[in-house]
Amino acid sequence: EAGVAQSPRYKIIEKRQSVAFWCNPISGHATLYWYQQILGQGPKLLIQFQNNGVVDDSQLPKDRFSAERLKGVDSTLKIQPAKLEDSAVYLCASSRKPGTREETQYFGPGTRLLVL
Amino acid sequence: GENVEQHPSTLSVQEGDSAVIKCTYSDSASNYFPWYKQELGKGPQLIIDIRSNVGEKKDQRIAVTLNKTAKHFSLHITETQPEDSAVYFCAASINTGTASKLTFGTGTRLQVTL
Repeated sequence: EAGVAQSPRYKIIEKRQSVAFWCNPISGHATLYWYQQILGQGPKLLIQFQNNGVVDDSQLPKDRFSAERLKGVDSTLKIQPAKLEDSAVYLCASSRKPGTREETQYFGPGTRLLVL
Repeated sequence: GENVEQHPSTLSVQEGDSAVIKCTYSDSASNYFPWYKQELGKGPQLIIDIRSNVGEKKDQRIAVTLNKTAKHFSLHITETQPEDSAVYFCAASINTGTASKLTFGTGTRLQVTL
């Protein structure tokens, strides 16, 4: 089966600009996750969707970050306005059934963002 | 919330030797512990996982052990090969039957030298 797709792979913007990332999960996976991975650190969960509803967005900086998953398939993550500290890799992951033995999270290749 | 510590941050071994990476977690309610391998420019890929009702699990050259009392778990790679060189992340999760939130360690960069 096809893996998690993300685009773009790389993005360079100036601070205060806006940027959007796109994710297409594995077919049939109801749960979608966005993670932020700063260089030298492990991924940190930003937001989790179950179908098109938000399950957990407690670590999403809501003053500048937003995410949506219309129709319960593709998702977009937006940053507006970007700050220097937002430079990171943004990873999208999906799983079939969280909390069960089908909970494995499959990650996409990520979008590497550099804010100048 | 959950906190996961991982050691060492870097590990260099010779081809054929074994490598061990250790992690500790803080929340005793955590019940799912996956290990991911991340190669340069790629997303993390699951290599093995273990649940809290199991003490050890093995898959060919890779094994994971879990000590719930001490709240630590370890990854063991035997007969290392150059293609094992990557960054490895441990993670812990509390699964409620409807949700699963992974907290990752800070990663171990493994280098296998010839």
